[in-house]
Amino acid sequence: TQLLEQSPQFLSIQEGENLTVYCNSSSVFSSLQWYRQEPGEGPVLLVTVVTGGEVKKLKRLTFQFGDARKDSSLHITAAQPGDTGLYLCADFYNQGGKLIFGQGTELSVKP
Amino acid sequence: GAVVSQHPSRVICKSGTSVKIECRSLDFQATTMFWYRQFPKQSLMLMATSNEGSKATYEQGVEKDKFLINHASLTLSTLTVTSAHPEDSSFYICSARRGGISEQYFGPGTRLTVT
Repeated sequence: TQLLEQSPQFLSIQEGENLTVYCNSSSVFSSLQWYRQEPGEGPVLLVTVVTGGEVKKLKRLTFQFGDARKDSSLHITAAQPGDTGLYLCADFYNQGGKLIFGQGTELSVKP
Repeated sequence: GAVVSQHPSRVICKSGTSVKIECRSLDFQATTMFWYRQFPKQSLMLMATSNEGSKATYEQGVEKDKFLINHASLTLSTLTVTSAHPEDSSFYICSARRGGISEQYFGPGTRLTVT
C-alpha cells in the first residue's frame, strides 16, 4: 500500500515569508496532484505533475517533481493570509481512479 | 465547468436516526463518484467508490450496511448514514469523475453532527 508523507504537518508564518511543503511517497507516483482546502470546503486542485523533474508555476506557487517521481515540493513565495489552508498531495493508486491523500500540511499565514 | 454540489452543507441529527447526503454533478455526467470522510485536522479518507447503475465498492473497514450509497443517475449519488452515532460526526466530501478522465472534481462537503 502506497504511503504519502507530508512535512511539515503544521506551519505558521508571517505574511511575506517564503515556505516549502514536501510530499514523499513510498513508491513511484503515477500522477501527483496538489490540492488546497479551506476550512469547511472541499479540496481544490492546484496542479498535476506527471513527468520526473517537472517544474510548474502558478503565480507565487512553484511545484517541483523529483527526478525519480517519488517526491515533490510546493514552494510559496511571499505568502499572504489568503494562502492559509490545508495543502494536500495525492496520487492515483489504481485503474479505477482512486486517490490516496497525504496527511496534509496546515498552513497559517498571519498578517 | 465541472461543478459538484452537495446538500445539505450542514446537518445535525439525533443518535439513532438516519441522514441522507446528496452529491450532484451540475454540468457534466459523472460515471464515477467517490465518497470521503474527513475528521478535524486530518486528511481525506476514501470510504467508497460509486459507479452509476452498479453497487458501490467500499474500502476496507467501511461498513456498507451503515453507509448506504446509491448512484441512480449520472448526476446524482447519495450517501445515507444509517442509525447514526456521535462517532459518525465528521465532514463528508464527495467527488465526481467524468468517464475516461482521471481528474476528480470535489464537492464543498457536508458537516454532519450527531447528538
